[in-house]
Amino acid sequence: DQQVKQNSPSLSVQEGRISILNCDYTNSMFDYFLWYKKYPAEGPTFLISISSIKDKNEDGRFTVFLNKSAKHLSLHIVPSQPGDSAVYFCAASEAAGNNRKLIWGLGTSLAVNP
Amino acid sequence: EPEVTQTPSHQVTQMGQEVILRCVPISNHLYFYWYRQILGQKVEFLVSFYNNEISEKSEIFDDQFSVERPDGSNFTLKIRSTKLEDSAMYFCASQGYNEQFFGPGTRLTVL
Repeated sequence: DQQVKQNSPSLSVQEGRISILNCDYTNSMFDYFLWYKKYPAEGPTFLISISSIKDKNEDGRFTVFLNKSAKHLSLHIVPSQPGDSAVYFCAASEAAGNNRKLIWGLGTSLAVNP
Repeated sequence: EPEVTQTPSHQVTQMGQEVILRCVPISNHLYFYWYRQILGQKVEFLVSFYNNEISEKSEIFDDQFSVERPDGSNFTLKIRSTKLEDSAMYFCASQGYNEQFFGPGTRLTVL
């Protein structure tokens, strides 16, 4: 079951540059997408989300882009900072009232080098 | 800032024993979830809970699993007879509007 795919297990970028993390999905019923950041020995921390009625959502250094026709979303971090080094998970849910079971990707480990 | 808490942080148990994992969700949230992550694998949905009953459960959530909210604050996951393959990180989440906020997890090790 690969409804949410993050095809890059790891990414390394230089401090100050842009980090782009990608996510693909197969279930056209997904209507809400989230990005979580996770440090070792901690739970996932919510970063940013986007509804399927939008194609972009921005929060500070983080921007999520959604391309519904391609079933693709991406997270941009600009500028990247060493503290951004973590595993980033893409997750998706489909509308079922307010019950929002999340389907997760495998994660991308981001390393931001000083 | 309100947060989800989980206890214990690490639980070691013998196969066949019962374990109870505890969570205190964010107080004004109404939807609660349990997920697990086996080492090296994806985070997997186990169960969602609303209005004191299960809303949805996955195939993993068989008769060995149960959840309850005994006192209006704690939210517990019980595994009646643990198996080796239950070894994983278990995460509790509570949902405000649309976003789910996660606790730090309980690492369950079944020997």
